[in-house]
Amino acid sequence: DQQVKQNSPSLSVQEGRISILNCDYTNSMFDYFLWYKKYPAEGPTFLISISSIKDKNEDGRFTVFLNKSAKHLSLHIVPSQPGDSAVYFCAASAHAGNMLTFGGGTRLMVKP
Amino acid sequence: NAGVTQTPKFQVLKTGQSMTLQCAQDMNHNSMYWYRQDPGMGLRLIYYSASEGTTDKGEVPNGYNVSRLNKREFSLRLESAAPSQTSVYFCAIYTGELFFGEGSRLTVL
Repeated sequence: DQQVKQNSPSLSVQEGRISILNCDYTNSMFDYFLWYKKYPAEGPTFLISISSIKDKNEDGRFTVFLNKSAKHLSLHIVPSQPGDSAVYFCAASAHAGNMLTFGGGTRLMVKP
Repeated sequence: NAGVTQTPKFQVLKTGQSMTLQCAQDMNHNSMYWYRQDPGMGLRLIYYSASEGTTDKGEVPNGYNVSRLNKREFSLRLESAAPSQTSVYFCAIYTGELFFGEGSRLTVL
């Protein structure tokens, strides 16, 4: 059973609007969460992370929110740009370690 | 993705053939990983190596072998390829977060 799930395989958003990507996890031992972004024919690249001691982390247009009680995190992109069109993977680890469990990914399309 | 180089980038095999995917890093990090990416499945860990000379199984190790002969290189071998091993393979190193190579697309017919 997948411990990290991204239930939306795809998301389409208009340029300038907010993109919200969601991720759910089941393992209560996870305490460090990351988002990776992947363009076609490239490897995933690290985007933003959050520790379980926080409920929000912001980096420019990207904000990650963590709701530990619901075992849910989300990535907000504001404003969305066409260059944000990519596949986004949510990932989690226990004890802030280097063994990551990934979700299935969400393909974001930002329309001009 | 400078720092992690994978070869080959593309490969087509017939069922039963063998091949080795090569990964080399120039960032002097201890931990190296092999993942596979399949649609809807995200990235799944095949094998990892915490340091030179050590290797451990990940989530989906069956059908694969690995070798970490030195700090710089970590190879993934398919001894007898199967169509289920058609995938995109990524090598990664741990730099505080995982840093991935550009990937190797493998098709097994």
